[in-house]
Amino acid sequence: EIVLTQSPATLSLSPGEGATLSCRASQSISSYLGWYQQKPGQAPRLLIYDTSNRATGIPARFSGSGSGTDFTLTISSLEPEDFAVYYCQHRSNWPITFGQGTRLEIK
Amino acid sequence: EVQLEDSGGGLVQPGGSLRLSCAASGVTFSSYDMSWVRQAPGKGLEWVSGISGSGYNTYYAASVQGRFTISRDNSKNTLYLQMNNLGVEDTAVYYCAKSTGTMSYFDYWGRGTLVTVSS
Repeated sequence: EIVLTQSPATLSLSPGEGATLSCRASQSISSYLGWYQQKPGQAPRLLIYDTSNRATGIPARFSGSGSGTDFTLTISSLEPEDFAVYYCQHRSNWPITFGQGTRLEIK
Repeated sequence: EVQLEDSGGGLVQPGGSLRLSCAASGVTFSSYDMSWVRQAPGKGLEWVSGISGSGYNTYYAASVQGRFTISRDNSKNTLYLQMNNLGVEDTAVYYCAKSTGTMSYFDYWGRGTLVTVSS
């Protein structure tokens, strides 16, 4: 099973600032990494698939990069609605696994 | 618009069984793999089980292998999860989720149904 480790666990920033979230895989997963956003009481929303492709309707301030074992989600300028929990997920093989999440909170 | 309506959760005693359902609309259901993903209270996401569009191929997390069974009825556009021998560790919100492809990401999710295992 591929283990995904996200860092930091919590990120405290202010609106307008940039955010960088990391996800490290226990073995190479090529570019098969996606990112989700989850707000309290809601289902997750797909943001990025295959490392760097934005899902339908996702604003351009969200971008992804990386390959192999190290991946990054960048939010260029935080909007108030961006404060949420973010999860990475791989699709390299079964079982699919998620990272433990990064909580992005308002400073 | 794609809609997934999951249901069937509730309170069950340890060792008991429960069957979850997920009714899909706005999508050619049989064309897509589907999965169940759960989230324990205050915890992260855990993929539980997946099934191919035809229903022929099924996949399970080690934590539920042998206890849970995923299935689908494409004539009814419905996904199921039969859960047997439930333990307290199975307490979670269970989401059904539509895959973007085989062994892939999840672009549509149900609202989730809460399963509580407690005596």
